[in-house]
Amino acid sequence: EAEVAQSPRYKITEKSQAVAFWCDPISGHATLYWYRQILGQGPELLVQFQDESVVDDSQLPKDRFSAERLKGVDSTLKIQPAELGDSAMYLCASSLVGTGTDEKLFFGSGTQLSVL
Amino acid sequence: GNSVTQMEGPVTLSEEAFLTINCTYTATGYPSLFWYVQYPGEGLQLLLKATKADDKGSNKGFEATYRKETTSFHLEKGSVQVSDSAVYFCALSVGGYQKVTFGTGTKLQVIP
Repeated sequence: EAEVAQSPRYKITEKSQAVAFWCDPISGHATLYWYRQILGQGPELLVQFQDESVVDDSQLPKDRFSAERLKGVDSTLKIQPAELGDSAMYLCASSLVGTGTDEKLFFGSGTQLSVL
Repeated sequence: GNSVTQMEGPVTLSEEAFLTINCTYTATGYPSLFWYVQYPGEGLQLLLKATKADDKGSNKGFEATYRKETTSFHLEKGSVQVSDSAVYFCALSVGGYQKVTFGTGTKLQVIP
């Protein structure tokens, strides 16, 4: 069964450093999501792409976070500079379509970020 | 705004016990409702869904009914197994681009 690929699986960095995460959605999935999940809490949407366009980044801390999906396929989420409070699991998800449907989300295994 | 409220965990049950995990929601518009499950060491996966009032979603012995009048979507299973131990997330999606909002999750531990 096709899966959402994420890398790296774990990332340890020092505060003020830059860090990047990569996600490759299931082939053909137009919608891609980046979520942040703090331990003990539910996933919080950071950014949502429809093809290569951002359709929701209202919760993305734009002073330090950036996300791109240049060709409408894979995506990169970057944090610069990282802060201690950024320690969390970063989840990528994709769905076939996202326009007013109830398509289910397929999640990757996530990247666990620890900022020291 | 949209939000989902789940009962706090952890919930510890003996094998074959009855399970209920409460979920209520607030939404602008008419949401679709979901339960996702996260098994230890794995990513979230969809367990079941319902898209309109009075629909019942079901999968793997779990059920949840979309109750518009009480804005609820409680998860139930008649007889839990050790393999059901996981974290369960209630979620909703609404709007033209299917923004999905999750609850905080409820950890279930089933003991033999």
